[in-house]
Amino acid sequence: SQQGEEDPQALSIQEGENATMNCSYKTSINNLQWYRQNSGRGLVHLILIRSNEREKHSGRLRVTLDTSKKSSSLLITASRAADTASYFCATEPGGGADGLTFGKGTHLIIQP
Amino acid sequence: KAGVTQTPRYLIKTRGQQVTLSCSPISGHRSVSWYQQTPGQGLQFLFEYFSETQRNKGNFPGRFSGRQFSNSRSEMNVSTLELGDSALYLCASSWGASGGELFFGEGSRLTVL
Repeated sequence: SQQGEEDPQALSIQEGENATMNCSYKTSINNLQWYRQNSGRGLVHLILIRSNEREKHSGRLRVTLDTSKKSSSLLITASRAADTASYFCATEPGGGADGLTFGKGTHLIIQP
Repeated sequence: KAGVTQTPRYLIKTRGQQVTLSCSPISGHRSVSWYQQTPGQGLQFLFEYFSETQRNKGNFPGRFSGRQFSNSRSEMNVSTLELGDSALYLCASSWGASGGELFFGEGSRLTVL
């Protein structure tokens, strides 16, 4: 079953604009991670935020976590064509017994 | 440092056959996880191995099995293939047990006819 659910399912923006994706989850977590997947390829880890953190930055990426609302957001600033990909949130439920659980992803298209 | 290597990258099988997929983790990584990715169900956790022991298992039938060798390389096997087993099978490795960053291979794309 899916723990994380991304919103929107698809997003198309112009190059240079900011892209925001959201993730909601159901149970308590130890951490939440974001991954990127280019078409048909493996996933690449972007950022990990722990349950006791509220915000984290990495380059043009900003991730927030609100454990009271069981939600996270990923902001990509100054988007580039190379950012075109699917983005997944992944959660490790509290207890860590079930491995990472991924959402169905947001497909981001950056229009040049 | 070499990344996670999965073989074969592409394969076609017919219903009823069995298949074995291989995964070589990043050197020094002791944990290997397997995921199935389909358009309908997304990424679903199959199992995780750490130091040759299966730590976690997802909700898949017994036709799906795996193992890990002493050099941390892992294999997964699917017996009695069904059309619905067509998917991208992704292997990921990490240094420690579950919870940290995963390093994924490029996947093995299985088509069942």
